[in-house]
Formats: sequence, C-alpha cells, structure tokens
Amino acid sequence: AQKVTQAQTEISVVEKEDVTLDCVYETRDTTYYLFWYKQPPSGELVFLIRRNSFDEQNEISGRYSWNFQKSTSSFNFTITASQVVDSAVYFCALSEGRSYGQNFVFGPGTRLSVLP
Amino acid sequence: DAGVTQSPTHLIKTRGQQVTLRCSPKSGHDTVSWYQQALGQGPQFIFQYYEEEERQRGNFPDRFSGHQFPNYSSELNVNALLLGDSALYLCASSLEAEETQYFGPGTRLLVL
Repeated sequence: AQKVTQAQTEISVVEKEDVTLDCVYETRDTTYYLFWYKQPPSGELVFLIRRNSFDEQNEISGRYSWNFQKSTSSFNFTITASQVVDSAVYFCALSEGRSYGQNFVFGPGTRLSVLP
Repeated sequence: DAGVTQSPTHLIKTRGQQVTLRCSPKSGHDTVSWYQQALGQGPQFIFQYYEEEERQRGNFPDRFSGHQFPNYSSELNVNALLLGDSALYLCASSLEAEETQYFGPGTRLLVL
C-alpha cells in the first residue's frame, strides 16, 4: 500500500533562512510519481513539482529545490532564503501508475511559518 | 485559460441531508478526481472519473457518489450527511495521459 510521511508537523523560520521539508514515501510499484503542493490559507492546492520514479535528477526552480533519493525513499523540498509569502502548508503526494486510474496519496502536510 | 472551478464555495447543511458539489475542470482536461480534506489533515482521495465512469475509488462509503458529464464537468453527491462529513472538498482535474492534477479552490461543507 502507498504511504507518505511528513514527520515535521510545523516549522517556523525567520525570513531569509533556508528550510527543508522532509518527505518519505512507501510503495511497491516501480513506476510512480511524486509531487509537492502548496496550500496557502485560501485553501487551494498549488502544484509545485512532479517527479517520476525513473528520474532521480535533482531540480532547482528559483528559490525552490528538490532532492529525490530512491535509496532512502525520500523526496525533500528546500526553500532557500525564505520569504513571508512562503508561509503555507506543504503537502507531499504519491501516485502509483495509471492502469486503473490515479490514486493520489497525500502526506499529512507540514505547516511552514516564515516570520519577518 | 480557466483553471478548475468549484461551486458553491461554502455550504451549511444539517445531519441527514443530502448535498451536491460541482466542479468544472481546467480547459482541455478530461479526468476529474475528488478529495476530502478534514481540518489539519491531508486530502483523502474519494474517487476519480474518466469518460463519465468512476475509474477508481478510495475508502469512502456508498453515501458518496459522483457523476461526470459529457463536457467533463463533475458532481459529488453525499447522502445522509454526518457531522464527520464536515470538511473542505477539493476537485482536481488532469489529462488522462498525464499524472499532474490541478486543484480547484474547494467547497467548505459544514454539517450541523
């Protein structure tokens, strides 16, 4: 069965600090997809990144970077030089293939507070 | 390019009532999924619709049902509402051939 764990329930940092959000997943499939979503107070989930199981290359997008390591089943997310606007709940999610349709499994989320 | 839209934004019902939530997918998307997000938790998958059929279902009782229309829009129906059904209901759309789901703003349902 699929499972996503985000051990950090809440994190508080001061603006301009770097912060890493951890994500550990479980799956029996060899083909799967990992995602990060941001949920600001408005409630809408905003897509940040998708990574498939065959691509372990790390990715950087502006102040955001992602570290995918299959050996440890982790897909961590780092925000460099955090800003107040980064305050939100961040969810890691796992999708196992599409043979019978998608089934996203979300982690419990990490609430990030960036203080000015 | 319109994103995923949902209606209504907020809803208050009483126990035992029935509710219908609506979702219009992102332009060009053909697959719609529904999620329930209780306060302080991650979204839980309810079901997914493609070609007007329920293709996959999460661990939700039969009180939760849905429908997809030929224009790909979708409805979520919940019968015999319970207090525990109070949550944010999220709709997500995607292309059948793609993995990424895009979410709407959600409908906040309060059951009294």
